[in-house]
Amino acid sequence: GENVEQHPSTLSVQEGDSAVIKCTYSDSASNYFPWYKQELGKRPQLIIDIRSNVGEKKDQRIAVTLNKTAKHFSLHITETQPEDSAVYFCASSPGAGSARQLTFGSGTQLTVLP
Amino acid sequence: DVKVTQSSRYLVKRTGEKVFLECVQDMDHENMFWYRQDPGLGLRLIYFSYDVKMKEKGDIPEGYSVSREKKERFSLILESASTNQTSMYLCASSTGVSYGYTFGSGTRLTVV
Repeated sequence: GENVEQHPSTLSVQEGDSAVIKCTYSDSASNYFPWYKQELGKRPQLIIDIRSNVGEKKDQRIAVTLNKTAKHFSLHITETQPEDSAVYFCASSPGAGSARQLTFGSGTQLTVLP
Repeated sequence: DVKVTQSSRYLVKRTGEKVFLECVQDMDHENMFWYRQDPGLGLRLIYFSYDVKMKEKGDIPEGYSVSREKKERFSLILESASTNQTSMYLCASSTGVSYGYTFGSGTRLTVV
């Protein structure tokens, strides 16, 4: 089955700096790559996603890039703010299948220091 | 505004008990999922369902079963709870044409 590896497991940045989280996946048929943010004590929420026919997608301070050849994708957060502190999960979905279930990475604890 | 509801936020059960975790969604989603979340391991898929009465094993189904008798409800069953099933359990749902999940708030289960 699919395997998703996520790095780093923890990341601390100064407010205003950029943060980058990287993920690799194993199944070349995967075609959907979402990122979820989970604040302490809350449910994960989708913040951005990208499909395999696109190399980059941006939404205000958040961007995701995808390299299908290398089978890796990254989350970029610019001008970080304290409210960006959370656990971030990457995930991938197979190109086929009954429910297009997601396989998640192990998570990155991002801390933005004021 | 809550769209995926998990019946309990916290549960404490004894070893050997049969445990039911309930999840209800009001978005008419075809797909429903159960994950467990453990520190350093991320979210691991236990079971999922793509239609009423249909179910498929995820990556870690051992010790669990599921039931989906109605479209809106997906139940996770621990047949005989063990201490290694102490975890946060997250339910999620998605449509048949979209990939994105809506998660419930989670149930933190402690087995003693």
